[in-house]
Amino acid sequence: DTGVSQDPRHKITKRGQNVTFRCDPISEHNRLYWYRQTLGQGPEFLTYFQNEAQLEKSRLLSDRFSAERPKGSFSTLEIQRTEQGDSAMYLCASSLKGTSSKLDHNEQFFGPGTRLTVL
Amino acid sequence: AQSVTQLDSQVPVFEEAPVELRCNYSSSVSVYLFWYVQYPNQGLQLLLKYLSGSTLVKGINGFEAEFNKSQTSFHLRKPSVHISDTAEYFCAVRTGYSSASKIIFGSGTRLSIRP
Repeated sequence: DTGVSQDPRHKITKRGQNVTFRCDPISEHNRLYWYRQTLGQGPEFLTYFQNEAQLEKSRLLSDRFSAERPKGSFSTLEIQRTEQGDSAMYLCASSLKGTSSKLDHNEQFFGPGTRLTVL
Repeated sequence: AQSVTQLDSQVPVFEEAPVELRCNYSSSVSVYLFWYVQYPNQGLQLLLKYLSGSTLVKGINGFEAEFNKSQTSFHLRKPSVHISDTAEYFCAVRTGYSSASKIIFGSGTRLSIRP
């Protein structure tokens, strides 16, 4: 399978614990995105990388959240001191930057998500 | 600022019946509109997109959508649904032309197909 993969698929943790999720994008994709989806809602943008540079962060990304993409390939999303309100599906997506501004409209491909439950 | 409204949270239809899932958007700039489908325990899959050109857009699995600028709508339609179409459908607007632009999603419409 050459799509976007995420690990783990499910994570149950106790309030106050730290958790880390991993996303492996499609191999040639240089852009990577994290979204959060709560029950009954659509995904909400969290942050975006182009190669290893984190270019945009949402106000939803509190200081307990940190994302990295150290080598411009896989990415990790860490949540410190988890709270019950962090329970959600965390989705990763990737896309390929077009070769020109006119061609830079490629779609984002989504992974299956990591479902986090904070008890 | 852009926003997306999906007017129906759930739509039940009988198999082989037509279906329309409604979506309205608001935006002060050019819009790029999408419909995604999410099957149970899976990620989002792109059904179709409107970037420019013809206002009638055809997608995968027999779905199509029509961009209506005057009504700020992008409703999704299928003439005859199948049990396998049971899923959650999300309308979305992208804030810019580039794939790096943020995508804003609606709250979703759950399509349930009755045999």
